Formats: sequence, structure tokens, C-alpha cells
Amino acid sequence: EAGVTQFPSHSVIEKGQTVTLRCDPISGHDNLYWYRRVMGKEIKFLLHFVKESKQDESGMPNNRFLAERTGGTYSTLKVQPAELEDSGVYFCASSRRHGSEYNEQFFGPGTRLTVL
Amino acid sequence: GQQLNQSPQSMFIQEGEDVSMNCTSSSIFNTWLWYKQEPGEGPVLLIALYKAGELTSNGRLTAQFGITRKDSFLNISASIPSDVGIYFCAGLYDNFGNEKLTFGTGTRLTIIP
Repeated sequence: EAGVTQFPSHSVIEKGQTVTLRCDPISGHDNLYWYRRVMGKEIKFLLHFVKESKQDESGMPNNRFLAERTGGTYSTLKVQPAELEDSGVYFCASSRRHGSEYNEQFFGPGTRLTVL
Repeated sequence: GQQLNQSPQSMFIQEGEDVSMNCTSSSIFNTWLWYKQEPGEGPVLLIALYKAGELTSNGRLTAQFGITRKDSFLNISASIPSDVGIYFCAGLYDNFGNEKLTFGTGTRLTIIP
């Protein structure tokens, strides 16, 4: 079974430009999460999709960030326009439907975004 | 929001030594998790803890869910070179419908030859 994949692995852009990150979850996983780790700090939750619906977007920093999951399969996270403080590693994770205990979130390798 | 204080930030140890790291929180969690991240990869789940007081082992790893539900520790016994990486604790408050994880800042483990 293929794991969570993310594209690109690295992105270097200038302040003011737009970047779109993509995440392909594990096949059959309804839950999809985006997290971000700014250098040296904790991994922070951004948002949670259940299929194509946004379940929780309380972690999105501001309206420069737009996440979509059309059709409930892959997801994109667009940053427009990018600012210096957006630099960090963006992780995507997916999990199955809810159960009685924690539904393990499987993480992708991350996209390292550098804004110059 | 909820915050997790993880310590130490980094550890430099010799192969064969035991390792201990912990996380504390100002608020309670229903589930505590320990993840490990290796270079170029995403975090991978090591141990999940579901009940206060629970002590769980996974090979050379042992983790405990604190009685107060506000802390957890992870021990690694007899460290080996492949233990190198960043270890993150994570807490989950609501298992049903809201599964966003709150992570600690990580403990970077380096093994000195």
C-alpha cells in the first residue's frame, strides 16, 4: 500500500509569489490533515478534511492560505501571496474513518517551503 | 491554545546508553502519542497511549501516560545508531470527530560514535 505522498519535496519562492502544495493521501482514507513546522518549533495543525468537507480549519494562519480537496481525494494548499514567515515544512497526513480509539495519522514526507 | 512543553530539546549520547524524554501540558489530553521523524521523512507513530497511568512498550521503547493526563514520558533503552532522529510527543483531546494533534517541539537525538 502506497503511503502519503507530497509534491514538491522542496520549493523556493520569492516573497509575494504563489505556491501550491499537493498531497495524495493513502487510498481509502477519508481524513486528511495539513500541518506545518516552522524551523525549530512544534508541528502545528492547520486544517482537517473529512472527504471533501473542511471539518476544522482553526489552524489556518490567515486568508493567504487556501486548502481544497475536490472530490475527496488529493488536496492542495495554496499560499498567495507568500510571506517570509510562511517558510517551514508542510506535512500532510491521512487516516481512516473514526473508530473507538485513535485513528493513526500517517504522515507524508513533507514539503519544505522557503520564502526569500 | 493547548501547548506541550517537551524536554530536553536535544540529546547527545553514546551508543548503548538509555534515553529519557518527557512532555508536559497545561491541559489534559485523552490520548498521548510519540512519533519519530527521520531526515527527509514525515513523523512515524511509535507508541499510542489511551488511559491515564498506562505504561506501554514497543521493543526497546517504553512510554507512560501520566496519571494527571497532563504529561507523558518516553524511554529508549540501550540506544543504537538507528535511533537517531527527532522525537515528538503529541496529544489528542477528542478522539471522536476532532482529531487534530497538538505536538511538542521535539527532542533531537544524536548518537556519538
